[in-house]
Amino acid sequence: GAVVSQHPSRVICKSGTSVKIECRSLDFQATTMFWYRQFPKKSLMLMATSNEGSKATYEQGVEKDKFLINHASLTLSTLTVTSAHPEDSSFYICSARDVGERPHEQFFGPGTRLTVL
Amino acid sequence: GQNIDQPTEMTATEGAIVQINCTYQTSGFNGLFWYQQHAGEAPTFLSYNVLDGLEEKGRFSSFLSRSKGYSYLLLKELQMKDSASYLCAVREAGAGSYQLTFGKGTKLSVIP
Repeated sequence: GAVVSQHPSRVICKSGTSVKIECRSLDFQATTMFWYRQFPKKSLMLMATSNEGSKATYEQGVEKDKFLINHASLTLSTLTVTSAHPEDSSFYICSARDVGERPHEQFFGPGTRLTVL
Repeated sequence: GQNIDQPTEMTATEGAIVQINCTYQTSGFNGLFWYQQHAGEAPTFLSYNVLDGLEEKGRFSSFLSRSKGYSYLLLKELQMKDSASYLCAVREAGAGSYQLTFGKGTKLSVIP
């Protein structure tokens, strides 16, 4: 149980285009999902907290107009990187909190590696 | 805010025991987590401590001292597959707060 999927796993895009990343909780309902980014050999940096049915809460320094987050249902959150630039190339990871059995845990998706040319 | 420190790299021998330390400073504490992350993959949950003491789970154990702002992850009977980064993460106190702040991770290399 407590499986989180992400799609796509890898994406390469041209500078200036937008990329959408999906995060799904497959076998549980997640009222809260988190989006992180990780640069090579660096730790995970929280970008935003996504709550179902409400606006996401962004961490300081994260541009909400550039990183659009939509948490439309209890099992799906999406992160859209708008007008992507090479500096947005990173490993993006989502996690979801299972409000049912183990509410203190976050279950991570497999990550999406974004490369912007 | 939070400040989390852990060693950058460690090397240990297959079959041995290794202890990875983590110190933290936080304005409010609501749990400490250890995650394992293999290169290019997402982190996987290892342990959770919210009270002082030792939590044991198979070959992995985690210890917490809240008064000292200190935790360690103990790995016994090391296997080659244990080579990975180990992330210490702290959750800050606050109503409805489930955000985690991660340390930079300790890259463990297990050698034959």
